[in-house]
Amino acid sequence: DAMVIQNPRYQVTQFGKPVTLSCSQTLNHNVMYWYQQKSSQAPKLLFHYYDKDFNNEADTPDNFQSRRPNTSFCFLDIRSPGLGDAAMYLCATSRDGDGEQYFGPGTRLTVT
Amino acid sequence: AQTVTQSQPEMSVQEAETVTLSCTYDTSESNYYLFWYKQPPSRQMILVIRQEAYKQQNATENRFSVNFQKAAKSFSLKISDSQLGDTAMYFCAFKVSGFGNEKLTFGTGTRLTIIP
Repeated sequence: DAMVIQNPRYQVTQFGKPVTLSCSQTLNHNVMYWYQQKSSQAPKLLFHYYDKDFNNEADTPDNFQSRRPNTSFCFLDIRSPGLGDAAMYLCATSRDGDGEQYFGPGTRLTVT
Repeated sequence: AQTVTQSQPEMSVQEAETVTLSCTYDTSESNYYLFWYKQPPSRQMILVIRQEAYKQQNATENRFSVNFQKAAKSFSLKISDSQLGDTAMYFCAFKVSGFGNEKLTFGTGTRLTIIP
């Protein structure tokens, strides 16, 4: 089945230690999104790629970076995680940005 | 800027009953989409139902239907014959249509519990 895959599902990192989260998709969608979701809150969009075009949200901290080396993969890099960055990180895709988004299962990040 | 408001943080209903979740939104756009997403506990978010603003007919998907009132900017979700598997967080979401408008705006969610 076509899907959105996130690895790892759980990630523990130390305060200030860089961490990378991975997302891959078999849907061949043009758009890939990264969201941060804290407990019992709505997902907050960090940035998205439309093909290779990167779109950053104005309030996304510089600590968060992203890479999309090809259509299938997208990475979220947190350069110096703080305790406030502990959250669920959701990856989503959409075919052309004009339809529904398909979400991955998320990566739960713990910062110690 | 668009805003989405869900005024019911939590709801609970007995199994097999019907429940309606409220959503209102604010926009000056005329072409847009509205969605209801479901996020079960510890499971991934999935689309429940979608409505194009230009369509007057309310969308339905099996036991799920919406009441779309464009003039009132209201988009409620009705779940009929509720089942235990409907227990989840439900998010209402809005998206302007067209290229360059890829962002979804989410409401704060309604936590729905179906009681056996």
